[in-house]
Amino acid sequence: EQQVQQSPASLVLQEAENAELQCSFSIFTNQVQWFYQRPGGRLVSLLYNPSGTKQSGRLTSTTVIKERRSSLHISSSQITDSGTYLCAMEGNSAGNKLTFGIGTRVLVRP
Amino acid sequence: AQTIHQWPVAEIKAVGSPLSLGCTIKGKSSPNLYWYWQATGGTLQQLFYSITVGQVESVVQLNLSASRPKDDQFILSTEKLLLSHSGFYLCAWSLEGDWGYEQYFGPGTRLTVL
Repeated sequence: EQQVQQSPASLVLQEAENAELQCSFSIFTNQVQWFYQRPGGRLVSLLYNPSGTKQSGRLTSTTVIKERRSSLHISSSQITDSGTYLCAMEGNSAGNKLTFGIGTRVLVRP
Repeated sequence: AQTIHQWPVAEIKAVGSPLSLGCTIKGKSSPNLYWYWQATGGTLQQLFYSITVGQVESVVQLNLSASRPKDDQFILSTEKLLLSHSGFYLCAWSLEGDWGYEQYFGPGTRLTVL
């Protein structure tokens, strides 16, 4: 069964600090997607990064396929960055099934 | 621009009662559609996917069923709810892009079964 491990489980930041979130996969994948889950539950797609490095604003994701891992770097954190960050991979099952990690809870303090 | 709606926003239902959750995607033609479920404190799991109208595949057996009666509509239902059905239900869509199938999620429906 394909699995996604995320670390750390939680993170407390001082506003303006940087953070690095990690994701590792039990199998090789060619599709990795990072999401932000709001406190109410809604998922916001942050970055779709099957390989290499992608950036969107203050977020940078690096995926290394052969090492079965991906990272999400948050620079200059803001209070509004608080929430849960989910990593998901698509494995080799039908239906473009995304397998999700349990997430990293981020709290940014003023 | 594409939009995805889910209804209802939240439901409180009794064990054994029927359920119907809906999802509509506007602004995209023939998208792939997906239902996901998240138990409180748990990980998101894909339940169903659909590539075309009238065709739905089950991924996880949870005593739920899904249908796609129109190109832009995806319905999740059951005739008898269980306590274990409580959680957050998310609908998603995708289209094949240069890099694969990036998925976009709706706002979700929170279901409480008592």
